[in-house]
Amino acid sequence: DSGVTQTPKHLITATGQRVTLRCSPRSGDLSVYWYQQSLDQGLQFLIQYYNGEERAKGNILERFSAQQFPDLHSELNLSSLELGDSALYFCASSADLTGGADGYTFGSGTRLTVV
Amino acid sequence: AQKITQTQPGMFVQEKEAVTLDCTYDTSDQSYGLFWYKQPSSGEMIFLIYQGSYDEQNATEGRYSLNFQKARKSANLVISASQLGDSAMYFCAMREGYADKLIFGTGTRLQVFP
Repeated sequence: DSGVTQTPKHLITATGQRVTLRCSPRSGDLSVYWYQQSLDQGLQFLIQYYNGEERAKGNILERFSAQQFPDLHSELNLSSLELGDSALYFCASSADLTGGADGYTFGSGTRLTVV
Repeated sequence: AQKITQTQPGMFVQEKEAVTLDCTYDTSDQSYGLFWYKQPSSGEMIFLIYQGSYDEQNATEGRYSLNFQKARKSANLVISASQLGDSAMYFCAMREGYADKLIFGTGTRLQVFP
């Protein structure tokens, strides 16, 4: 157990629907990162929150949004889902902004299948 | 522009042998960090080893070592005494300066055979 908890582990939904992925970071970690892993795009950074504030944005679609709550858990909301959104979504956390020698601790991921 | 390059889509190694997984990177920053992660078939991302750009010694963690050649911008992962459980995808990643995100390479699938 890495200490980063992601729920649900698997999600199957239809095109056009909206889903919410949840992440609880490792105890004490203030930074949360979301990544998307798909066969054609590889591992892509989506967005980062630090202590409740959006810190950095990557290749995140406008249909996607995220937030980090006061208890530091984070949610990634995906709406108007398309077949191409099917992927493994990872959450990672780090203690500070730069994720040093201890690296970034990843959760086990949420596998989203859009049918 | 591709910043992390892993040129080996797949590698085979016999059990108990050593194997080197290649990684080259591109950055103009003086301060950066290099990471290796293992992703088994179950899907989770497992942190293996880290090398900071100012670290003078190559990083080692148990059977894993990082062959860091700064001038050549390479950060190869060496796994000694391979085990069947080492079969997995391996990703090289970089964090530039004070940037917050990791940039990943495309990965190398390692298969260890008896």
